[in-house]
Amino acid sequence: GEDVEQSLFLSVREGDSSVINCTYTDSSSTYLYWYKQEPGAGLQLLTYIFSNMDMKQDQRLTVLLNKKDKHLSLRIADTQTGDSAIYFCAGSAGSNDYKLSFGAGTTVTVRA
Amino acid sequence: GAVVSQHPSRVICKSGTSVKIECRSLDFQATTMFWYRQFPKQSLMLMATSNEGSKATYEQGVEKDKFLINHASLTLSTLTVTSAHPEDSSFYICSAREMGQPGTEAFFGQGTRLTVV
Repeated sequence: GEDVEQSLFLSVREGDSSVINCTYTDSSSTYLYWYKQEPGAGLQLLTYIFSNMDMKQDQRLTVLLNKKDKHLSLRIADTQTGDSAIYFCAGSAGSNDYKLSFGAGTTVTVRA
Repeated sequence: GAVVSQHPSRVICKSGTSVKIECRSLDFQATTMFWYRQFPKQSLMLMATSNEGSKATYEQGVEKDKFLINHASLTLSTLTVTSAHPEDSSFYICSAREMGQPGTEAFFGQGTRLTVV
């Protein structure tokens, strides 16, 4: 299985960039994901990256993947108050293994 | 994106009763759905993988007789918490992947907050 670790808390000022980091153990992880969870709600997929990519950008979101170090990061540019939430990174192993292993989640607090 | 609907969103039940939670894929077919449990301020713990037309696969430590899963159609999976106790109180979330779409996103339901009193 996959062990996924991430820092628990991040406080950022509105308008600044947020960077959330994640490390994983299973080098065979094929896809790596970032999910957002607002209070009392389910998970919303923000973005995902295939393991043969180094970077993926989608509007304010930039995902960086360092396979050698098994490190994944999510950068949110121009962080807004609506970005306050818990962010989970997750990995899945292989195209036929739909199981996702989640990190503990990073609580991002955006302050004015 | 695809929609997964979970019902109910909140339920309070008495200790010893059973509660059924439904997970529906509204605009796609899902041969596989997943049931997670989330404790306050913690990550999601995979409980079981629900396979359409066959038995669910439970993760280690999850009692299959306690958490009954039925995946009778390509758009519906149910989780029944039997003889619920206060320690079963938690947030339960399901997810589903579209058929024939390996490795792409899993869509999540909005979750069910179960409180056993």
